[in-house]
Amino acid sequence: AQSVTQPDIHITVSEGASLELRCNYSYGATPYLFWYVQSPGQGLQLLLKYFSGDTLVQGIKGFEAEFKRSQSSFNLRKPSVHWSDAAEYFCAVGNYNTDKLIFGTGTRLQVFP
Amino acid sequence: EAGVTQFPSHSVIEKGQTVTLRCDPISGHDNLYWYRRVMGKEIKFLLHFVKESKQDESGMPNNRFLAERTGGTYSTLKVQPAELEDSGVYFCASSTTGNGYTFGSGTRLTVV
Repeated sequence: AQSVTQPDIHITVSEGASLELRCNYSYGATPYLFWYVQSPGQGLQLLLKYFSGDTLVQGIKGFEAEFKRSQSSFNLRKPSVHWSDAAEYFCAVGNYNTDKLIFGTGTRLQVFP
Repeated sequence: EAGVTQFPSHSVIEKGQTVTLRCDPISGHDNLYWYRRVMGKEIKFLLHFVKESKQDESGMPNNRFLAERTGGTYSTLKVQPAELEDSGVYFCASSTTGNGYTFGSGTRLTVV
């Protein structure tokens, strides 16, 4: 079955600390992978996406993600978290960039000053 | 360019009533999608329009849900009659072929 797992429901970090949000997927075809962020009262904003090529993908707001096919993972990282990064983060997989997406349950990030 | 706009942002209705959600995609975007997030769970696909045609409606939960896209522009999602389990956040997204989605800010529906 096709699925996305985000094992961490809630993560709390201090401002300035590094961050890694985990994402594992199960998908029968070549995956197209996405990370979205939702801040309070806002829509889902695309942080970054992986279609092919370099497995380390750079996104907006200083985020990056690494695709590891052998581990079926696409973890999101940021070297130094800012208070404004507090939001909910969603990993998603699809097989074409205009096809339907399968989302994980999300990880809520809380940032302490 | 203007983003994807959804109306209303919040709606509270009683069980058995009808609610209509509206989505205005980015101008020129042929693809329009509806997704739903029930509280605490994953965001799930409902359906996909290409212009005015339903390309994929495999995620529609039951026949109480009716989606339309007039003239390939805005779309409506009607729930009739609403049930308690329909509560959640309904997202709309649009795209052009070969590009990623742009999501709206969602409509939070509460059925009491």
